[in-house]
Amino acid sequence: GQQVMQIPQYQHVQEGEDFTTYCNSSTTLSNIQWYKQRPGGHPVFLIQLVKSGEVKKQKRLTFQFGEAKKNSSLHITATQTTDVGTYFCAATAVGGSQGNLIFGKGTKLSVKP
Amino acid sequence: DTAVSQTPKYLVTQMGNDKSIKCEQNLGHDTMYWYKQDSKKFLKIMFSYNNKELIINETVPNRFSPKSPDKAHLNLHINSLELGDSAVYFCASSQGNKNIQYFGAGTRLSVL
Repeated sequence: GQQVMQIPQYQHVQEGEDFTTYCNSSTTLSNIQWYKQRPGGHPVFLIQLVKSGEVKKQKRLTFQFGEAKKNSSLHITATQTTDVGTYFCAATAVGGSQGNLIFGKGTKLSVKP
Repeated sequence: DTAVSQTPKYLVTQMGNDKSIKCEQNLGHDTMYWYKQDSKKFLKIMFSYNNKELIINETVPNRFSPKSPDKAHLNLHINSLELGDSAVYFCASSQGNKNIQYFGAGTRLSVL
C-alpha cells in the first residue's frame, strides 16, 4: 500500500535552534496536511498544502510542498518549549480513496530550555 | 463545547472481554473515522464512515466492529480483547473533500 515516509523520527534541539521534518512519497500526492500532537494530547490540524511548490507560513512555521507533489517539509524557526510534540504529515494520493489519509510515522520534537 | 467527544477516556480491562468506545461530533461533518495509535505513536486508520455508510475498512481483525447509528455518532465495539489491542483509539471527523481531520481526545485502552 501507499506509504508516506517521514524523517527524522526524533529530534532534540536547544531552545532557539531551528527544526525541520520531511515527508516523502513514491507516488504523486493530491494534497498534504500537517498535524501536531502535544504529549498526552490528540493530533491537531495545522495546515493543508494543495498546489505544486506551495509555501505557507504560520508565524515561525514554514510549510512547503514539492514541485513534483511527492514531498513536503515543515520548518520551525527559533524553537520554543511550546513547540514540543510530535509532528505528523498526512497525505492523500492522487486517485486515492476519499477520506483515506495516510499518516507519516511522525517526528517527535523535544526542546531543551 | 467539545467538537469531537469520545468516551471513555481510559479503559482498563481483562483479556477476552468485550468493550465499546463511543464517539460523537457536533460539527455537522459527514464523515467519521476510527484511528489506532500504538505505543510508537504510529497513527493508522481503521474505519471510515460517510453518512452512516462504511467507506474504508482497513485490515483490522473482525473482532472490531464499527457502528454508526447516525452521521453524528460512530461507535467501536471490540470483542474478545487481546493484549495487542492496547493502544490509544482516536475518533475523528471531516467534511467534504478537504479531509481535514478533527480528532477527539482519545481513549487509552489497556488490556491486561
